[in-house]
Amino acid sequence: NAGVMQNPRHLVRRRGQEARLRCSPMKGHSHVYWYRQLPEEGLKFMVYLQKENIIDESGMPKERFSAEFPKEGPSILRIQQVVRGDSAAYFCASSRAGGNEKLFFGSGTQLSVL
Amino acid sequence: QKEVEQDPGPLSVPEGAIVSLNCTYSNSAFQYFMWYRQYSRKGPELLMYTYSSGNKEDGRFTAQVDKSSKYISLFIRDSQPSDSATYLCAMSISNNAGNMLTFGGGTRLMVKP
Repeated sequence: NAGVMQNPRHLVRRRGQEARLRCSPMKGHSHVYWYRQLPEEGLKFMVYLQKENIIDESGMPKERFSAEFPKEGPSILRIQQVVRGDSAAYFCASSRAGGNEKLFFGSGTQLSVL
Repeated sequence: QKEVEQDPGPLSVPEGAIVSLNCTYSNSAFQYFMWYRQYSRKGPELLMYTYSSGNKEDGRFTAQVDKSSKYISLFIRDSQPSDSATYLCAMSISNNAGNMLTFGGGTRLMVKP
């Protein structure tokens, strides 16, 4: 009965490289959310996806960040040309349906940019 | 001004104490209110989920929502050292499109044996 699975747990990148974060939702869940947690700050919403659709990306930075949730496989959060300010914990959450369904979070990916 | 305010703590209490954690918010459109517990280097774990005003109890935990004051609380009875964690309040509007949560910054709780 696996929960939300995120990998890798830790990711180290040098400035200018690309970071790919993966998230597999809980079994039976088809809605995925990405949140970012900066040091000493709360979680900030980034993007909400269903299979093959981006529903709300109002929290995503306009450049370098993209997300997808393909028909098969995990959801991917992609950060191109990373900068030091991208260093943060990135959490994925999933829910069974849309609306105000409960969100269940993964353990996160800690991204460190050198 | 942040949309959701939460005292960062740390809040240090002796084992067995009653703990009170609070959040205030400014957006009157929030209808759903949650409390998450987050251990160090772990993901948030849903503790309580409430709709609109009122109280909800689950074991040692009680959540209270006062929409007229834009104030929510989480009470922990008979606190244990294992309750030591960061507690995050979160809230959302009634929305068919999705449950985008707005979080407080979290309160760090330490329960000393």
